[in-house]
Amino acid sequence: EAQVTQNPRYLITVTGKKLTVTCSQNMNHEYMSWYRQDPGLGLRQIYYSMNVEVTDKGDVPEGYKVSRKEKRNFPLILESPSPNQTSLYFCASSPFLPNRGNANVLTFGAGSRLTVL
Amino acid sequence: DQQVKQNSPSLSVQEGRISILNCDYTNSMFDYFLWYKKYPAEGPTFLISISSIKDKNEDGRFTVFLNKSAKHLSLHIVPSQPGDSAVYFCAAIGSGGSNYKLTFGKGTLLTVNP
Repeated sequence: EAQVTQNPRYLITVTGKKLTVTCSQNMNHEYMSWYRQDPGLGLRQIYYSMNVEVTDKGDVPEGYKVSRKEKRNFPLILESPSPNQTSLYFCASSPFLPNRGNANVLTFGAGSRLTVL
Repeated sequence: DQQVKQNSPSLSVQEGRISILNCDYTNSMFDYFLWYKKYPAEGPTFLISISSIKDKNEDGRFTVFLNKSAKHLSLHIVPSQPGDSAVYFCAAIGSGGSNYKLTFGKGTLLTVNP
């Protein structure tokens, strides 16, 4: 089944304790992206990757790191989490770069709910 | 600055009636628009899209209308069903250049009452 898989789905952690949210897709997609969803703010892009070893900042990159060493994986790293990073996180992928017209449909993972105390 | 605006946080309609969800955008470089639907505890899923060269796109019960001069698009669901109850996100993107991301609105919670 074609899908984007995120882990963990739920996590409660404490301020300053490094954590990684993994994201893996099995569709050989070039483009991958991380979003966070917050009440009243909708979906905001954190980082994106156009291909292996190519990453760039989205709208809200502060406090996050990413890497794209393999095409299928795009982990989100919080080096020193803070309470304002409590949020619902979504990883997404698409076959091509999103500016290629009809090919820019993103497939989303089920989400990872993170609470930082 | 919010480039994609969904000004109605919520909408409630009766089963069988029409649901109209609205979206406005400010960036004139946007030329492709999408609607995503999100159920609780799931990721958003693609619903329907429209290119700026069209003013209407239809897929079953779902129709998206685009008014470029007004920078406005709307999603019509006819007839509405209880299973359509979800959060609907409008998204936009500009082709060409270095625009590699979708810009999402804040979402509208649609409730379809039986």
